[in-house]
Amino acid sequence: GQQVMQIPQYQHVQEGEDFTTYCNSSTTLSNIQWYKQRPGGHPVFLIQLVKSGEVKKQKRLTFQFGEAKKNSSLHITATQTTDVGTYFCAGNYKLTFGKGTLLTVNP
Amino acid sequence: DAGVIQSPRHEVTEMGQEVTLRCKPISGHNSLFWYRQTMMRGLELLIYFNNNVPIDDSGMPEDRFSAKMPNASFSTLKIQPSEPRDSAVYFCASRPLDREQFFGPGTRLTVL
Repeated sequence: GQQVMQIPQYQHVQEGEDFTTYCNSSTTLSNIQWYKQRPGGHPVFLIQLVKSGEVKKQKRLTFQFGEAKKNSSLHITATQTTDVGTYFCAGNYKLTFGKGTLLTVNP
Repeated sequence: DAGVIQSPRHEVTEMGQEVTLRCKPISGHNSLFWYRQTMMRGLELLIYFNNNVPIDDSGMPEDRFSAKMPNASFSTLKIQPSEPRDSAVYFCASRPLDREQFFGPGTRLTVL
């Protein structure tokens, strides 16, 4: 079945540094969604990408969907302590989730 | 809108007991999903419903788990009998057609 892998599993940065997490699927995706889960909270939707090569921005966050629609990335510029949490990618209708990348930020 | 409602928020039970988790999706959403989250396995899809009909239950770990959706505004996930390895946070999520998922706050289950 479809598998979605995320790397890295953990990332610790100093406040102000950039951060990137990568999502790779074993199969071509029709779409990909990104979610953020704060510690002790529940996943919250960030964005959906549908088109090959699509790039979307939300303030300091930049999301990309690969040309082959099998990979995606989330890049955060100049991290802040409010960015702490686990970032998940999820693919297709059934939303197969990756294991997520836990981001911690040192103030 | 109250969002997805789950109850109870916390459940502590003893091995062998029956556990029932409840979910009220957002009104108008036609799909409902049950997930289990643990440190080791991440966020696992257990089952999802479309218009109250179970579509894919391949993620249900074993026969001890069952899920129902008797109507568009209510779903249950039952574990009988429960085992310590079932301890996890169980999330319910709903979504309108072809849109993002809205997660509930989760039920933290501890089986002693």
